[in-house]
Amino acid sequence: AQKVTQAQTEISVVEKEDVTLDCVYETRDTTYYLFWYKQPPSGELVFLIRRNSFDEQNEISGRYSWNFQKSTSSFNFTITASQVVDSAVYFCALILQGAQKLVFGQGTRLTINP
Amino acid sequence: GAVVSQHPSRVICKSGTSVKIECRSLDFQATTMFWYRQFPKQSLMLMATSNEGSKATYEQGVEKDKFLINHASLTLSTLTVTSAHPEDSSFYICSAGQGGDFTQYFGPGTRLTVL
Repeated sequence: AQKVTQAQTEISVVEKEDVTLDCVYETRDTTYYLFWYKQPPSGELVFLIRRNSFDEQNEISGRYSWNFQKSTSSFNFTITASQVVDSAVYFCALILQGAQKLVFGQGTRLTINP
Repeated sequence: GAVVSQHPSRVICKSGTSVKIECRSLDFQATTMFWYRQFPKQSLMLMATSNEGSKATYEQGVEKDKFLINHASLTLSTLTVTSAHPEDSSFYICSAGQGGDFTQYFGPGTRLTVL
Protein backbone atom coordinates (compact mmCIF):
# COMPACT_ATOMS: atom_id res chain seq x y z
CA ALA A 1 0.00 0.00 0.00
CA GLN A 2 1.05 3.54 -0.60
CA LYS A 3 1.73 5.98 2.18
CA VAL A 4 2.84 9.58 2.49
CA THR A 5 4.29 10.89 5.72
CA GLN A 6 4.69 14.52 6.64
CA ALA A 7 6.25 14.25 10.05
CA GLN A 8 6.16 17.98 10.77
CA THR A 9 2.67 18.81 11.96
CA GLU A 10 3.34 22.48 12.53
CA ILE A 11 6.22 24.81 11.76
CA SER A 12 6.52 28.40 12.83
CA VAL A 13 9.27 30.71 11.60
CA VAL A 14 9.95 34.40 11.38
CA GLU A 15 9.56 36.14 8.07
CA LYS A 16 12.57 35.94 5.73
CA GLU A 17 13.79 32.69 7.21
CA ASP A 18 14.19 29.67 4.96
CA VAL A 19 12.02 26.69 5.79
CA THR A 20 11.94 23.09 4.56
CA LEU A 21 8.85 20.90 4.64
CA ASP A 22 9.60 17.20 4.67
CA CYS A 23 7.74 14.52 2.74
CA VAL A 24 8.54 10.82 2.79
CA TYR A 25 6.59 8.34 0.72
CA GLU A 26 6.23 4.59 0.48
CA THR A 27 5.38 2.59 -2.62
CA ARG A 28 6.60 -0.57 -4.30
CA ASP A 29 5.64 0.71 -7.72
CA THR A 30 8.33 2.13 -9.98
CA THR A 31 6.11 4.61 -11.80
CA TYR A 32 4.34 7.22 -9.75
CA TYR A 33 3.78 10.94 -9.41
CA LEU A 34 4.38 13.20 -6.46
CA PHE A 35 2.62 16.47 -5.75
CA TRP A 36 2.66 19.42 -3.41
CA TYR A 37 -0.47 21.44 -2.74
CA LYS A 38 -0.94 24.60 -0.68
CA GLN A 39 -4.10 25.18 1.32
CA PRO A 40 -4.32 28.79 2.53
CA PRO A 41 -6.85 29.80 5.22
CA SER A 42 -9.49 30.35 2.54
CA GLY A 43 -9.57 26.58 2.01
CA GLU A 44 -8.91 25.90 -1.64
CA LEU A 45 -6.04 23.60 -2.52
CA VAL A 46 -3.57 25.19 -4.88
CA PHE A 47 -1.48 22.94 -7.08
CA LEU A 48 2.22 23.73 -6.74
CA ILE A 49 4.17 20.99 -8.48
CA ARG A 50 4.02 17.51 -10.00
CA ARG A 51 7.01 15.23 -10.31
CA ASN A 52 7.17 11.83 -11.97
CA SER A 53 9.29 9.06 -10.53
CA PHE A 54 11.76 9.11 -13.41
CA ASP A 55 12.65 12.74 -13.06
CA GLU A 56 14.89 13.37 -10.08
CA GLN A 57 15.99 16.80 -11.13
CA ASN A 58 15.44 19.40 -8.51
CA GLU A 59 13.11 22.21 -9.42
CA ILE A 60 13.12 25.86 -8.54
CA SER A 61 10.26 28.27 -9.02
CA GLY A 62 10.96 31.66 -7.56
CA ARG A 63 11.33 31.25 -3.80
CA TYR A 64 10.11 27.66 -3.96
CA SER A 65 12.33 24.66 -4.58
CA TRP A 66 11.82 20.95 -4.43
CA ASN A 67 14.32 18.19 -3.76
CA PHE A 68 13.31 14.73 -4.98
CA GLN A 69 15.52 11.84 -3.84
CA LYS A 70 14.40 8.33 -4.71
CA SER A 71 17.19 6.84 -2.60
CA THR A 72 15.51 8.16 0.54
CA SER A 73 11.94 8.22 -0.87
CA SER A 74 11.71 11.90 -0.09
CA PHE A 75 10.27 14.89 -1.87
CA ASN A 76 11.07 17.90 0.28
CA PHE A 77 9.88 21.44 -0.29
CA THR A 78 11.89 24.52 0.62
CA ILE A 79 10.71 28.09 0.79
CA THR A 80 13.49 30.63 0.85
CA ALA A 81 13.05 34.10 2.30
CA SER A 82 9.63 33.17 3.63
CA GLN A 83 6.80 35.69 3.63
CA VAL A 84 3.64 36.00 5.69
CA VAL A 85 1.60 35.06 2.60
CA ASP A 86 3.30 31.67 2.64
CA SER A 87 1.35 30.80 5.79
CA ALA A 88 -0.84 27.82 4.90
CA VAL A 89 -1.18 24.09 5.25
CA TYR A 90 0.97 22.24 2.74
CA PHE A 91 0.12 18.76 1.56
CA CYS A 92 2.37 16.26 -0.14
CA ALA A 93 0.61 13.58 -2.20
CA LEU A 94 1.34 10.51 -4.28
CA ILE A 95 -0.48 8.78 -7.12
CA LEU A 96 0.49 5.62 -8.94
CA GLN A 97 0.63 5.36 -12.71
CA GLY A 98 -2.79 4.24 -13.89
CA ALA A 99 -4.46 4.87 -10.55
CA GLN A 100 -7.02 7.51 -9.78
CA LYS A 101 -6.63 8.04 -6.06
CA LEU A 102 -4.29 10.60 -4.61
CA VAL A 103 -2.71 9.52 -1.35
CA PHE A 104 -2.23 12.55 0.86
CA GLY A 105 0.08 13.16 3.76
CA GLN A 106 -1.34 14.65 6.93
CA GLY A 107 -0.21 18.13 6.00
CA THR A 108 2.17 20.60 7.59
CA ARG A 109 0.77 23.83 8.98
CA LEU A 110 3.28 26.58 8.25
CA THR A 111 3.04 29.88 10.05
CA ILE A 112 5.23 32.76 9.01
CA ASN A 113 5.38 35.44 11.67
CA PRO A 114 6.13 39.05 10.78
CA GLY B 1 -6.07 27.12 -17.01
CA ALA B 2 -7.43 24.18 -14.99
CA VAL B 3 -9.94 26.08 -12.92
CA VAL B 4 -12.50 24.27 -10.83
CA SER B 5 -15.42 26.04 -9.19
CA GLN B 6 -17.74 24.96 -6.43
CA HIS B 7 -21.12 26.29 -5.46
CA PRO B 8 -22.17 27.22 -2.88
CA SER B 9 -19.10 28.18 -0.92
CA ARG B 10 -21.00 28.09 2.34
CA VAL B 11 -24.34 26.65 3.32
CA ILE B 12 -26.25 26.44 6.56
CA CYS B 13 -29.25 24.18 6.71
CA LYS B 14 -31.59 22.58 9.18
CA SER B 15 -31.29 18.97 10.18
CA GLY B 16 -33.25 16.69 7.86
CA THR B 17 -32.94 18.79 4.74
CA SER B 18 -30.94 17.89 1.65
CA VAL B 19 -28.12 20.00 0.27
CA LYS B 20 -26.69 19.95 -3.23
CA ILE B 21 -23.13 21.03 -3.97
CA GLU B 22 -21.98 21.64 -7.53
CA CYS B 23 -18.48 21.18 -8.88
CA ARG B 24 -17.60 22.53 -12.31
CA SER B 25 -14.45 22.38 -14.38
CA LEU B 26 -14.46 25.76 -16.10
CA ASP B 27 -11.82 25.49 -18.77
CA PHE B 28 -11.30 21.79 -19.34
CA GLN B 29 -13.25 18.59 -19.65
CA ALA B 30 -12.98 16.35 -16.63
CA THR B 31 -13.58 12.68 -17.24
CA THR B 32 -13.09 12.06 -13.54
CA MET B 33 -14.07 14.14 -10.55
CA PHE B 34 -13.42 13.45 -6.91
CA TRP B 35 -15.23 14.40 -3.73
CA TYR B 36 -13.35 14.85 -0.48
CA ARG B 37 -14.31 15.70 3.04
CA GLN B 38 -12.00 17.53 5.40
CA PHE B 39 -12.38 17.82 9.14
CA PRO B 40 -10.70 20.68 11.00
CA LYS B 41 -6.93 20.37 11.09
CA GLN B 42 -6.99 17.09 9.24
CA SER B 43 -6.04 15.87 5.82
CA LEU B 44 -8.47 15.27 3.00
CA MET B 45 -10.53 12.12 3.07
CA LEU B 46 -11.65 10.79 -0.30
CA MET B 47 -15.36 10.06 -0.32
CA ALA B 48 -15.95 8.97 -3.89
CA THR B 49 -14.66 8.98 -7.43
CA SER B 50 -17.06 10.12 -10.09
CA ASN B 51 -16.67 9.18 -13.74
CA GLU B 52 -18.76 10.93 -16.34
CA GLY B 53 -21.75 8.88 -17.39
CA SER B 54 -21.29 6.09 -14.89
CA LYS B 55 -21.99 5.40 -11.25
CA ALA B 56 -19.67 6.83 -8.66
CA THR B 57 -17.26 4.61 -6.78
CA TYR B 58 -17.52 5.17 -3.06
CA GLU B 59 -14.79 4.65 -0.51
CA GLN B 60 -15.27 2.19 2.27
CA GLY B 61 -17.45 3.57 5.01
CA VAL B 62 -19.11 6.25 2.88
CA GLU B 63 -22.86 5.78 2.58
CA LYS B 64 -23.83 6.05 -1.08
CA ASP B 65 -27.48 6.63 -0.24
CA LYS B 66 -26.49 9.48 2.05
CA PHE B 67 -24.07 11.15 -0.33
CA LEU B 68 -25.53 11.05 -3.82
CA ILE B 69 -23.12 11.84 -6.62
CA ASN B 70 -24.05 12.63 -10.18
CA HIS B 71 -21.57 13.31 -12.98
CA ALA B 72 -23.87 14.09 -15.86
CA SER B 73 -21.44 15.94 -18.07
CA LEU B 74 -17.71 16.38 -18.57
CA THR B 75 -17.79 19.67 -16.70
CA LEU B 76 -20.24 19.11 -13.87
CA SER B 77 -20.50 16.81 -10.89
CA THR B 78 -22.91 17.23 -8.01
CA LEU B 79 -22.87 15.94 -4.46
CA THR B 80 -26.17 15.82 -2.62
CA VAL B 81 -26.12 15.31 1.13
CA THR B 82 -29.49 13.79 1.84
CA SER B 83 -31.28 14.20 5.15
CA ALA B 84 -28.36 16.10 6.58
CA HIS B 85 -27.54 15.85 10.27
CA PRO B 86 -25.15 17.89 12.42
CA GLU B 87 -22.46 15.20 12.08
CA ASP B 88 -22.44 15.87 8.33
CA SER B 89 -21.14 19.38 9.00
CA SER B 90 -17.76 19.59 7.33
CA PHE B 91 -15.70 21.11 4.55
CA TYR B 92 -16.40 19.38 1.24
CA ILE B 93 -13.93 19.77 -1.61
CA CYS B 94 -14.12 18.52 -5.14
CA SER B 95 -11.34 18.01 -7.61
CA ALA B 96 -11.15 17.27 -11.30
CA GLY B 97 -8.59 15.52 -13.41
CA GLN B 98 -7.77 16.21 -17.02
CA GLY B 99 -6.68 12.70 -17.74
CA GLY B 100 -3.15 11.95 -18.77
CA ASP B 101 -1.06 13.87 -16.28
CA PHE B 102 -2.74 12.60 -13.10
CA THR B 103 -2.92 16.08 -11.65
CA GLN B 104 -6.06 16.91 -9.72
CA TYR B 105 -7.25 20.49 -9.64
CA PHE B 106 -9.30 21.43 -6.64
CA GLY B 107 -12.33 23.59 -6.16
CA PRO B 108 -12.49 26.23 -3.42
CA GLY B 109 -14.57 24.00 -1.15
CA THR B 110 -18.00 24.18 0.44
CA ARG B 111 -18.45 24.62 4.15
CA LEU B 112 -21.60 22.85 5.26
CA THR B 113 -23.13 23.56 8.64
CA VAL B 114 -26.14 21.53 9.70
CA LEU B 115 -28.07 22.95 12.63
